[in-house]
Amino acid sequence: KNQVEQSPQSLIILEGKNCTLQCNYTVSPFSNLRWYKQDTGRGPVSLTIMTFSENTKSNGRYTATLDADTKQSSLHITASQLSDSASYICVVMGGGFKTIFGAGTRLFVKA
Amino acid sequence: ETGVTQSPTHLIKTRGQQVTLRCSSQSGHNTVSWYQQALGQGPQFIFQYYREEENGRGNFPPRFSGLQFPNYSSELNVNALELDDSALYLCASSMDRRQNTIYFGEGSWLTVV
Repeated sequence: KNQVEQSPQSLIILEGKNCTLQCNYTVSPFSNLRWYKQDTGRGPVSLTIMTFSENTKSNGRYTATLDADTKQSSLHITASQLSDSASYICVVMGGGFKTIFGAGTRLFVKA
Repeated sequence: ETGVTQSPTHLIKTRGQQVTLRCSSQSGHNTVSWYQQALGQGPQFIFQYYREEENGRGNFPPRFSGLQFPNYSSELNVNALELDDSALYLCASSMDRRQNTIYFGEGSWLTVV
């Protein structure tokens, strides 16, 4: 069964600290993996997209990694800011344009 | 600003009623997908339209239906509303079915009472 699992479910960190969010997937065949940021009540906004051959991709303070062998990805946020408080969703696209969303990690950044 | 606009932004319906949600895609995008996102959950794929034809469907009953128009704008229709249909409905457009880049709208909040 095609699934995307994210951990932790929620996370609280202090402003300025780093954090890492995890994504494990069982989607096959694999096309690409994306990370989205979703503010409460808003539509998701793309952070990174990685294909099978890419191991790392950065977007400012966001760095995503992908291990296609173990089917794991992580999103690392450096020097967190209050505005980073949001849900971070891992999305895997498989065969036939099938798109599987994870449930998201809810990040709270506190001053 | 993603160029994808949805309407209405919020609405309240009564159980058993019907609702139509609308989406205007980004210019040049011929593929649109609809998602249902319950509170605290990730989006669930409802269906996708490519060049006015349904191109894939998730695990949703037939009372969820859609349309894509020649200008690639789209509608999501839900009949016989149930309380569990209360959710954020997201529309996403892309330039083609491969969806290398997907742009989401801000969503329509539907509350069924």
